[in-house]
Amino acid sequence: QSVLTQPPSASGTPGQRVTISCSGSSSNIGSHTVNWYQQLPGTAPKLLIYGNNQRPSGVPDRFSGSKSGTSASLAISGLQSEDEADYYCAAWDDNLNGYVFGTGTQVTVL
Amino acid sequence: EVQLVESGGDLVNPGGSLRLSCAASGFSFSTYDMNWVRQAPGKGLEWVSSISSSSYIYYADSVQGRFAISRDNAKNSLYLQMNSLRAEDTAVYYCARRYSSGRFTHFDYWGQGTLVIVSS
Repeated sequence: QSVLTQPPSASGTPGQRVTISCSGSSSNIGSHTVNWYQQLPGTAPKLLIYGNNQRPSGVPDRFSGSKSGTSASLAISGLQSEDEADYYCAAWDDNLNGYVFGTGTQVTVL
Repeated sequence: EVQLVESGGDLVNPGGSLRLSCAASGFSFSTYDMNWVRQAPGKGLEWVSSISSSSYIYYADSVQGRFAISRDNAKNSLYLQMNSLRAEDTAVYYCARRYSSGRFTHFDYWGQGTLVIVSS
């Protein structure tokens, strides 16, 4: 059972801005940096955002992350059809002594 | 180029055993923490186990006592021995490298996954 809660779905038209929330607790998001992963259909997850708001090389600046207290958010601006995917937040959890993922959000481009 | 290639997935009976392997290349394997993450059909990601560069080991509660992670730095390989398999262990199993430095800790490279099906 995931300890990080995300909305199951989000959608927008091309060019719009979409945001995805991720709610955790003091033992995970409250104490550690948040990472986001993108999983395109039928493929392995890919690191999208690390350290709350850092983009790995090659990730477009349309993707941005933020964190406040025990919550985090991923924003996709200028939504494109290729952004249709599942998105997962994640962080280390001190209570579980393990890495926890969010419940996942499916993004649909209308 | 960093590459992680999993193998060993198969159809196995409940109660059976299976050993997964992950062959790593393109980086200094011995200096990185490595992890297994799984994804049941149509479900989200679940962290399974990790082994540090100095062989500290952690498991998710769901597999504690049944699964064993190990590594062979000479062979640049990561393993997951899975015993007493249950239907709920059915999933794609991914090998993932963990980058950890200062306040940053994240899985920066993932393999393509190997499918384990537990069914009679």
